[in-house]
Amino acid sequence: ETGVTQSPTHLIKTRGQQVTLRCSSQSGHNTVSWYQQALGQGPQFIFQYYREEENGRGNFPPRFSGLQFPNYSSELNVNALELDDSALYLCASSSQGQETQYFGPGTRLLVL
Amino acid sequence: DQQVKQNSPSLSVQEGRISILNCDYTNSMFDYFLWYKKYPAEGPTFLISISSIKDKNEDGRFTVFLNKSAKHLSLHIVPSQPGDSAVYFCAANGNFGNEKLTFGTGTRLTIIP
Repeated sequence: ETGVTQSPTHLIKTRGQQVTLRCSSQSGHNTVSWYQQALGQGPQFIFQYYREEENGRGNFPPRFSGLQFPNYSSELNVNALELDDSALYLCASSSQGQETQYFGPGTRLLVL
Repeated sequence: DQQVKQNSPSLSVQEGRISILNCDYTNSMFDYFLWYKKYPAEGPTFLISISSIKDKNEDGRFTVFLNKSAKHLSLHIVPSQPGDSAVYFCAANGNFGNEKLTFGTGTRLTIIP
């Protein structure tokens, strides 16, 4: 059974740029959630995708957007990067209706 | 508005003793609770969970207790081992139409050999 994978592992961008992060869900899972973890904080829910549609969104501005593909993999896109976007971005997969989410290793984004 | 709180940022425990990590929540709509363990440079790893219809769930060395009236849960690790040194996050979920997890800020557990 393949676990959740994310790419890239690290990324450095400058303010105003755009970034795309990628996630492959664990086999058998059809739901992907994205979280942002700032230093010293717990993960904060960004949004969730199920059946290629957004299924819930946290308190993040519209410049955070996402996609889910037919194979259940997902992308997180962030436009007009700000310094405060520097964080660890975590992807988690689950089966719809099941409570437990399984996390990938994360992508560490640094915005300069 | 921190709906899930872990008030102890850190905890040190002697190897072989019991580690007790605590978590409080404020939202009465939460009905499922999870504990995750996180090592540096890795994603959170699922440890154990409990539904609000139970007050205890046990898995090997790990036991989670839920006190709904106090809106409090705790994770007991016994006996504690050096490999248990990590950051532990409490998370909660409710019947919100999606499986959004609300996390606490974490407790760093250090096991002293």
